[in-house]
Amino acid sequence: GAGVSQSPSNKVTEKGKDVELRCDPISGHTALYWYRQSLGQGLEFLIYFQGNSAPDKSGLPSDRFSAERTGGSVSTLTIQRTQQEDSAVYLCASSLGTGGYNEQYFGPGTRLTVT
Amino acid sequence: SQQGEEDPQALSIQEGENATMNCSYKTSINNLQWYRQNSGRGLVHLILIRSNEREKHSGRLRVTLDTSKKSSSLLITASRAADTASYFCATALLPSGSARQLTFGSGTQLTVLP
Repeated sequence: GAGVSQSPSNKVTEKGKDVELRCDPISGHTALYWYRQSLGQGLEFLIYFQGNSAPDKSGLPSDRFSAERTGGSVSTLTIQRTQQEDSAVYLCASSLGTGGYNEQYFGPGTRLTVT
Repeated sequence: SQQGEEDPQALSIQEGENATMNCSYKTSINNLQWYRQNSGRGLVHLILIRSNEREKHSGRLRVTLDTSKKSSSLLITASRAADTASYFCATALLPSGSARQLTFGSGTQLTVLP
């Protein structure tokens, strides 16, 4: 079946603008995760959803970052008033459940460049 | 902060040789996973080893886990040019019953020369 998809694949935005990144998980996967990968910080966890709720928002780097998930499916990561340090590849992953042995399937990522 | 540290940071070998990458971590884990990434984009899951397992095989991949040393290794046998990629270990932490974010290591860039 289809894997995790993300859109857009690339986004260039001006500093100060808001951006929305979208993730479509694998159908039937209840857990969804957002990560960020940048040169200086490696791969960082941002937030995860179990269904539509986000029990752990500890990884969000600032209050400019928010995420939501609707219908237990699509998720949107929103970055307000973007800064240059937000430039990174944003990766989404999903898994069947939240048990410890559920492997995470990653999307291709969205490359965000803030100019 | 990153849980895992990997070494080497970069590894270059000839096709046909074996490649070994190591990962160390700091806290107790539920499981450890290895991922592969091409060209800085999506990650592909390779193998998962549980904390009560010591060794696991999948095709040309062999993973070991030593929880007493908090370390793991990934061995790729008979490497191919197509194995060229970045390899990351990722740990899923305790407690049980909760969705587990993955904490990634810094990665090893493997180059297999034809």
